[in-house]
Amino acid sequence: KAGVTQTPRYLIKTRGQQVTLSCSPISGHRSVSWYQQTPGQGLQFLFEYFSETQRNKGNFPGRFSGRQFSNSRSEMNVSTLELGDSALYLCASSLSAGGHEQYFGPGTRLTVT
Amino acid sequence: AQSVTQLDSQVPVFEEAPVELRCNYSSSVSVYLFWYVQYPNQGLQLLLKYLSGSTLVKGINGFEAEFNKSQTSFHLRKPSVHISDTAEYFCAVSETNSGYALNFGKGTSLLVTP
Repeated sequence: KAGVTQTPRYLIKTRGQQVTLSCSPISGHRSVSWYQQTPGQGLQFLFEYFSETQRNKGNFPGRFSGRQFSNSRSEMNVSTLELGDSALYLCASSLSAGGHEQYFGPGTRLTVT
Repeated sequence: AQSVTQLDSQVPVFEEAPVELRCNYSSSVSVYLFWYVQYPNQGLQLLLKYLSGSTLVKGINGFEAEFNKSQTSFHLRKPSVHISDTAEYFCAVSETNSGYALNFGKGTSLLVTP
């Protein structure tokens, strides 16, 4: 069974631009969660989507948004990029909402210059 | 609000020696506990989890952890480490109040040398 895939793996953007990251969960998994990993703040929860609905949200500004499609694939969007948004963005999928066994993808490394 | 503290940011150890990575948490409700490992340039891999039942949990790659409710700890142990165990290890907690989102510690870098 294929694991969680994230595209692109690496991305360089300029401050003020916007970016969209994609995550394809494991087949059959309906929940997708997003996390931001930075050296300073560590791993922080962004949001979780289940059945195309956001069911949980972390403490991030409204510039960070996401959505989930009917095939459970998810996208994350960051608008008006700031230097501090440079991070590894990890996606995790699980069978159900709030699932205790989350499988992580390799991440997208975003660099904002 | 819950918090997770990994007491050691770096743990150097010789190959075949035992290791313990420490994790303490604070929460006012029942929690679920996890250990993840992250190899360079990769995502996170679940090592083991405690949801309920036996407080001694065995995971992959020979790792185990013990849930101690009175001390609010969930330390990770391995009796004999290999060079390939060199990685970043994260303790995480989830609870009902946070919708079961994973709350991670800052991580412990395990460096195994010959």
